Amino acid sequence: LAKTTQPISMDSYEGQEVNITCSHNNIATNDYITWYQQFPSQGPRFIIQGYKTKVTNEVASLFIPADRKSSTLSLPRVSLSDTAVYYCLVGYRGGFQKLVFGTGTRLLVSP
Amino acid sequence: GAVVSQHPSWVICKSGTSVKIECRSLDFQATTMFWYRQFPKQSLMLMATSNEGSKATYEQGVEKDKFLINHASLTLSTLTVTSAHPEDSSFYICSARDRLAGGRDTDTQYFGPGTRLTVL
Repeated sequence: LAKTTQPISMDSYEGQEVNITCSHNNIATNDYITWYQQFPSQGPRFIIQGYKTKVTNEVASLFIPADRKSSTLSLPRVSLSDTAVYYCLVGYRGGFQKLVFGTGTRLLVSP
Repeated sequence: GAVVSQHPSWVICKSGTSVKIECRSLDFQATTMFWYRQFPKQSLMLMATSNEGSKATYEQGVEKDKFLINHASLTLSTLTVTSAHPEDSSFYICSARDRLAGGRDTDTQYFGPGTRLTVL
């Protein structure tokens, strides 16, 4: 299972764009990159998933360079409600592989 | 999207008693479910993989006789904390994977809302 490394915490202000980078140097060919968001006392919520280049949905964008050894979650114009812990995970999408959570990034959005 | 529920959402019990937590996939079938434990300010720690119709697979360091897992149907997995002690107090979260997800654009695990267990 690929290990991921993320910043422990980040601070931002409302309306700013936030980019959270995750390193996964040992990512395997079949691994996908998935980001989850977790609020206190709640289960993680799926944000976005990608394999390469760029993926965008209504919530975020995910940028993955050609070597796939890192990825960046981009949250446009954050609000106070985006204060949460964000987890980056890598794993094989095709099977029922268990997910191993790293430390995550605690994002604090201030007024 | 796919919904996973857990019951109860919180439970308080006395030391030495057993507590059962249910995890249900509401609108999809899940041959595989996962159980996590999360202590305050920490990340999720995988406890075991629950397989429908077969024995669960436990992670290293997790006592299988203490944390009993039963996955009797494609939509239900249960975790029973036997002879609970205060150190078992934690936030327990399950996740489920849609068995028909292969080939879909988004193949991911869906998490339940969690169960807060407090052992007095």
